[in-house]
Amino acid sequence: QSALTQPPSASGSPGQSVTISCTGTSSDVGAYNYVSWYQEHPGKAPKLMIYEVTKRPSGVPDRFSGSKSGNTASLTVSGLQAEDEADYYCSSYTGNNIWMFGGGTKVTVL
Amino acid sequence: EVQLVESGGGLVHPGGSLKLSCAASGFTFSGSAIHWVRQASGKGLEWVGRIRSKANTYATAYAASVEGRFNISREDSKNTAYLQINSLKSEDTAVYYCTSQMGGATLDHWGQGTLVTVSS
Repeated sequence: QSALTQPPSASGSPGQSVTISCTGTSSDVGAYNYVSWYQEHPGKAPKLMIYEVTKRPSGVPDRFSGSKSGNTASLTVSGLQAEDEADYYCSSYTGNNIWMFGGGTKVTVL
Repeated sequence: EVQLVESGGGLVHPGGSLKLSCAASGFTFSGSAIHWVRQASGKGLEWVGRIRSKANTYATAYAASVEGRFNISREDSKNTAYLQINSLKSEDTAVYYCTSQMGGATLDHWGQGTLVTVSS
């Protein structure tokens, strides 16, 4: 199975919004509402930002939101802040007890 | 507070073996699945495998890329999970993270990772 497809980069100015896509297939993203998004700062462990497509763990700002349409999930960061500059990875359960990650998107705050 | 602490990484020759540990605290370890995820330098995250709880027969699953060489186990009495890596290849060089799955299908908490370097 190939990795989920994410754009390599995205950017926005402070206060703006940026949306990252995560495209899979009808066997993974399209089949299950088990899409997660992770934020990774350099040298740090990934941090869960969104789970089950739209849910935010406690402590994650509501500037982060998730959605899904068909085989594509999306993460939107509204009101961009400097600390949002990081790599973002999507993940999906794919059935048959297998999980998969996207290739990652580097978000730059201009 | 949930904590996952990996250890056991290091420099290994090609063909060698290594056993990584993941010590957990702050949650009901015995009732949770544990996953391993790796990340080569400058690359993305790669799911390696998972072990379920005793209630789910300690079932394991692995990515096709590591099936047959990697083995995940756990010792609930010590709140610790393990990743045994055999027949190491240069492409196994990566930071290895353990993560918890407490509900649904979400990898919810992550350790800080341990670096495995395969080189002669």
